[in-house]
Amino acid sequence: DARVTQTPRDKVTEMGQEVTMRCQPILGHNTVFWYRQTMMQGLELLAYFRNRAPLDDSGMPKDRFSAEMPDATLATLKIQPSEPRDSAVYFCASGFGGYGYTFGSGTRLTVV
Amino acid sequence: AQSVTQLGSHVSVSEGALVLLRCNYSSSVPPYLFWYVQYPNQGLQLLLKYTSAATLVKGINGFEAEFKKSETSFHLTKPSAHMSDAAEYFCAVSEVGGNEKLTFGTGTRLTIIP
Repeated sequence: DARVTQTPRDKVTEMGQEVTMRCQPILGHNTVFWYRQTMMQGLELLAYFRNRAPLDDSGMPKDRFSAEMPDATLATLKIQPSEPRDSAVYFCASGFGGYGYTFGSGTRLTVV
Repeated sequence: AQSVTQLGSHVSVSEGALVLLRCNYSSSVPPYLFWYVQYPNQGLQLLLKYTSAATLVKGINGFEAEFKKSETSFHLTKPSAHMSDAAEYFCAVSEVGGNEKLTFGTGTRLTIIP
């Protein structure tokens, strides 16, 4: 089965450090999402892309978060500087149109 | 704007009993609707989807859901619960022909009582 690959699986970092999370979407999928999941807020949409163009990043704290798709096989989410409140599981998902999206296994980020 | 409401953050059923997880949606245009399941420490897995074809949708693991436009509902059911069904379930909506952004409900944690 085709899958969305996220790296790293787990990341522990100190406050103030830069964090980069990577996602390899399924080949041929034209839409990529980044979600953040926490106990308190549930699943929050951070940003999403269609055909590599950013469509909506209103869910992201602009001063510290950035999302890019340098090519069709890679999406990145960066946090600089990281803060303890950024601790969460970050999911990438890819799909085509509105026909359902495949999620990766997530990156569990802990900022201490 | 689109939104999803899941009634009941926790649902407990006995093994072998009917599972019913409720989802109501709000959308200004015809929606696509989805149910996802999340097992502990895993990502979300698509259970089933409604994309304007048949209103009764069958998914994996014996689950099904019925789209009822008049009630703006998309409830998830399974006739007989199994211990392996214990997980968190998320309903989600996106708008046909719109930006197709996927908006999730707050989730329902399903517990199966032996």
